[in-house]
Amino acid sequence: EAGVTQSPTHLIKTRGQQATLRCSPISGHTSVYWYQQALGLGLQFLLWYDEGEERNRGNFPPRFSGRQFPNYSSELNVNALELEDSALYLCASSLANGLRNIQYFGAGTRLSVL
Amino acid sequence: RKEVEQDPGPFNVPEGATVAFNCTYSNSASQSFFWYRQDCRKEPKLLMSVYSSGNEDGRFTAQLNRASQYISLLIRDSKLSDSATYLCVVNSVGTYKYIFGTGTRLKVLA
Repeated sequence: EAGVTQSPTHLIKTRGQQATLRCSPISGHTSVYWYQQALGLGLQFLLWYDEGEERNRGNFPPRFSGRQFPNYSSELNVNALELEDSALYLCASSLANGLRNIQYFGAGTRLSVL
Repeated sequence: RKEVEQDPGPFNVPEGATVAFNCTYSNSASQSFFWYRQDCRKEPKLLMSVYSSGNEDGRFTAQLNRASQYISLLIRDSKLSDSATYLCVVNSVGTYKYIFGTGTRLKVLA
C-alpha cells in the first residue's frame, strides 16, 4: 500500500513568487495535515483539512493557504514568498480525525527561497 | 512556556547503554501522546503511542505521568541504528492538532 506522497521533492523559488506543494494521502485517509519544519526547529502545525474543509490552522499568515480535493489530496500554496519560508514542508494523513488516530508523514518538500 | 518541551541533547551513549528521555507538556487536558523518530532530513515516523498504563515494544518502553505532566521514553541495549531525533507529540484536546516537541537528539557510539 502506498504511503503519503508529496511533490515536488525540492522546489526553488525567489522572493515574492508563489509556491504550490502537493500531497496525496494514504488510501482511505480523509484528514490531511501540513507542517513546516525550518532548519534546526521543530515541526510547526500549518493546516488541517478533513472532508474537503479547512478545520484548523496554525499561527501562520494568510499567505499560507491550501485546499483539499474530493479525492482527499491536498495542495499548500504559499504566496509572496519570503526568505524565512525556506523549510521542509511535511504533509501527514490520518483516518477521520480522532484523538488516537495516528498521523503518517510523507517525505516532504524542501522549499528554498532565494 | 512551550506547550511541549524536550531536552534537545545530544545524548551521546555507547552501544548497549540504556537511555531515557523525558518530555513535559503544559495542557493538563491533553489526552493522546506519541513518540516519533526522525532521521536526518527524513520524515518523522511513529515509534509508539503512549498509554496511561505504560507500554513496551521490544527495547522501547514509554510511560505517561499525568500528575506531573510528562511522558518518557526508555531505550534499552542501544544500537547504532537508534541514532536519530526523538520527537514527543501531544494531541491537543479540542483542536485535534499534534503539538510537537523540538526533539531530543540521540547518538549511539560504537
